[in-house]
Amino acid sequence: GQNIDQPTEMTATEGAIVQINCTYQTSGFNGLFWYQQHAGEAPTFLSYNVLDGLEEKGRFSSFLSRSKGYSYLLLKELQMKDSASYLCAAMDSNYQLIWGAGTKLIIKP
Amino acid sequence: GAVVSQHPSRVICKSGTSVKIECRSLDFQATTMFWYRQFPKKSLMLMATSNEGSKATYEQGVEKDKFLINHASLTLSTLTVTSAHPEDSSFYICSARGTSGDSYEQYFGPGTRLTVT
Repeated sequence: GQNIDQPTEMTATEGAIVQINCTYQTSGFNGLFWYQQHAGEAPTFLSYNVLDGLEEKGRFSSFLSRSKGYSYLLLKELQMKDSASYLCAAMDSNYQLIWGAGTKLIIKP
Repeated sequence: GAVVSQHPSRVICKSGTSVKIECRSLDFQATTMFWYRQFPKKSLMLMATSNEGSKATYEQGVEKDKFLINHASLTLSTLTVTSAHPEDSSFYICSARGTSGDSYEQYFGPGTRLTVT
């Protein structure tokens, strides 16, 4: 079956760094997405990885290892506004997104 | 960037009535639109995938006669919840994927919160 695993909740301190991990099992693979979702709002796109390695975009970076079925989202210089849920989604061979349950990130001052 | 709008943002309706939700891609043509449902503190649940000009493909367990989807143009898809019941109360989100062959990114609408009383 197809499955995405990510931690349910994480807590970090303002100004610090946090890494949110995601492991996936899909029928075929066409890339890994990370989305940010604030409470009561729709998800917003953060990153897309289809090749192994690290993609850096400002304070956010995303890493992919296709052989391990593993990705992580790295958030640096955390700000209070980064408090949100972070959704990992893998695209399968039919170009359908398989969604994780999301990781709720709590930022403390 | 690509913008997707959704209307209405909130709707309260009585049990037994029907509600229509519109999803529009404002600055790009969307060959494929997706309809999701999300319960509190849960992940997105794909309900159906619609391609312009053809019938929607529903996920297992989603009643096609209850959740009517129409994708009449490259910029508009509608979801109609027929004979709504309180258990249909949820956050409904649409997303759209463009016609560019290199991009599989989905652009999300702001969501519609449906409350059935």
